[in-house]
Amino acid sequence: GAGVSQSPSNKVTEKGKDVELRCDPISGHTALYWYRQSLGQGLEFLIYFQGNSAPDKSGLPSDRFSAERTGGSVSTLTIQRTQQEDSAVYLCASSIEAGTDTQYFGPGTRLTVL
Amino acid sequence: EDQVTQSPEALRLQEGESSSLNCSYTVSGLRGLFWYRQDPGKGPEFLFTLYSAGEEKEKERLKATLTKKESFLHITAPKPEDSATYLCAVTDGTSYGKLTFGQGTILTVHP
Repeated sequence: GAGVSQSPSNKVTEKGKDVELRCDPISGHTALYWYRQSLGQGLEFLIYFQGNSAPDKSGLPSDRFSAERTGGSVSTLTIQRTQQEDSAVYLCASSIEAGTDTQYFGPGTRLTVL
Repeated sequence: EDQVTQSPEALRLQEGESSSLNCSYTVSGLRGLFWYRQDPGKGPEFLFTLYSAGEEKEKERLKATLTKKESFLHITAPKPEDSATYLCAVTDGTSYGKLTFGQGTILTVHP
């Protein structure tokens, strides 16, 4: 079956531009997570969705970051006015239910801000 | 705040040379400990979930164990294709499954 998919796989943008990153979770998975992986920081949690609502946005690093999920499926992570420190790999994961269910990761989007 | 520390940061083995990776954790009410494998340029690939101290799981040359303070990933007779970064993560009961990751162990197996 299809796994988690993300697009684009790579994104190069200029400082100050807005970017949108897309995640398509495994069909039937109700929980969706966004993480960021950067050199020296490891993998860090950004935001979690249960259905279309986001009970935990505690990991979003600033108000330039936002995310939404529609139809209980596809999610979009938006970064406004990108900064060089936003350069990282953005990973999306989904699980059947939130809690202790295994999270399956997509391939990630590598974002480079020049 | 949940914390995960993995050691060593990097491990170089000869093919067939067995060894172990360590994951020490501090978490309020462990609900699950997860091991993932990550190859360069790819997302983490799920290996194991452990839920309680004393639990063990095996898959091919890998065996994961769990105590109240740490987890070990034992690699028996590794092959070059086992070379990857191995990530450990924990979740507690208050965070709806948010994973807290360690920094990972980079494993290189030479033929």
